[in-house]
Amino acid sequence: GAVVSQHPSWVICKSGTSVKIECRSLDFQATTMFWYRQFPKQSLMLMATSNEGSKATYEQGVEKDKFLINHASLTLSTLTVTSAHPEDSSFYICSASRDPNPEAFFGQGTRLTVV
Amino acid sequence: GNSVTQMEGPVTLSEEAFLTINCTYTATGYPSLFWYVQYPGEGLQLLLKATKADDKGSNKGFEATYRKETTSFHLEKGSVQVSDSAVYFCALREMDSSYKLIFGSGTRLLVRP
Repeated sequence: GAVVSQHPSWVICKSGTSVKIECRSLDFQATTMFWYRQFPKQSLMLMATSNEGSKATYEQGVEKDKFLINHASLTLSTLTVTSAHPEDSSFYICSASRDPNPEAFFGQGTRLTVV
Repeated sequence: GNSVTQMEGPVTLSEEAFLTINCTYTATGYPSLFWYVQYPGEGLQLLLKATKADDKGSNKGFEATYRKETTSFHLEKGSVQVSDSAVYFCALREMDSSYKLIFGSGTRLLVRP
């Protein structure tokens, strides 16, 4: 199957700093990438959908200026958490798909801890 | 809007027991349906899928049948193993231009030796 890699797997940062998380499709070109947030023992909450070369579409309630998403190429999307605060601590997961195939492939997730 | 409802967990079973995790959905049109599995500290792995009514997805002994008449996609396995302990998510993919995945709340499975 297709491989999606996230980096880093975990990160600890100080409150007020910014953190960038990368999501790469290693063996296919991803026309669409999705970013999710998962709280402990809960389901995945879709944050935004990004298509290569265009602006991300954010879900209602997700702050665009806080969670910056860039999808500069067909194999890379990045999520930057700006001015992070402890409440941003969470597990962030990306997925990638190649339209019109309905299957999405997930990265291994990034655990962010803001102290 | 579209939604997915899963049975609440945790589900605790003994090894070799029969597993059923219920999943029902609400959707317009004909979505694709998926089961994903998440092991502790990891991302999601696709377990199986079905893209049209009456399709049966299967993998690693797990099965699920796309039932349009009951809008269900229940996950079953005849004999679970300790290594099957994980969280299982049912999901549908909207077939509009967004191709979003809508997830259920997840069901934690614990298999005891």
